[in-house]
Amino acid sequence: SAVISQKPSRDICQRGTSLTIQCQVDSQVTMMFWYRQQPGQSLTLIATANQGSEATYESGFVIDKFPISRPNLTFSTLTVSNMSPEDSSIYLCSVVYQETQYFGPGTRLLVL
Amino acid sequence: QKEVEQDPGPLSVPEGAIVSLNCTYSNSAFQYFMWYRQYSRKGPELLMYTYSSGNKEDGRFTAQVDKSSKYISLFIRDSQPSDSATYLCAMSLMNTGFQKLVFGTGTRLLVSP
Repeated sequence: SAVISQKPSRDICQRGTSLTIQCQVDSQVTMMFWYRQQPGQSLTLIATANQGSEATYESGFVIDKFPISRPNLTFSTLTVSNMSPEDSSIYLCSVVYQETQYFGPGTRLLVL
Repeated sequence: QKEVEQDPGPLSVPEGAIVSLNCTYSNSAFQYFMWYRQYSRKGPELLMYTYSSGNKEDGRFTAQVDKSSKYISLFIRDSQPSDSATYLCAMSLMNTGFQKLVFGTGTRLLVSP
């Protein structure tokens, strides 16, 4: 299996600021994924991050709002930029490892 | 209309009951069907996945896919309080496999002792 850790586990931020979320996996993986889980809504894929190339964003998500870095095969960051209360959510990273998609514990973000 | 519909619950059952969790979907191109369990303040963990129609059993859990009706189910036998969690169905296309998953909203299950 793949074990994923995320930092921070939770944060409370002021509107207009930015937060960078870190994701570390214990195995080398080609693709890492970032999801958003809002209350009462389904997990929604934000983007796919491949090492050595630009992230691929899903419809409704843009790089200026959610810049992603993928410096190596075990690490990625997601930045939530210029935050508003609507960005309050749980952000999860995931990886596909041996035909299973594993998820991190999530980062709970509250924007005031 | 959402691609994947799932009753949010909560679904409350006594210990030992048989639980049935269901999802419907609209995209007939979905080929992979998964069930994830998510405990409070944790990330989702894969319970089972199936490819194509039919049943798959793993211990107390049975996953069922009916592609003609675009309907999938997860049955839990002899439910335990430790089964209390949110259950998410997820699906994907043949060409994306286990990568780009489309999730239901999740059904919260409460099993009382």
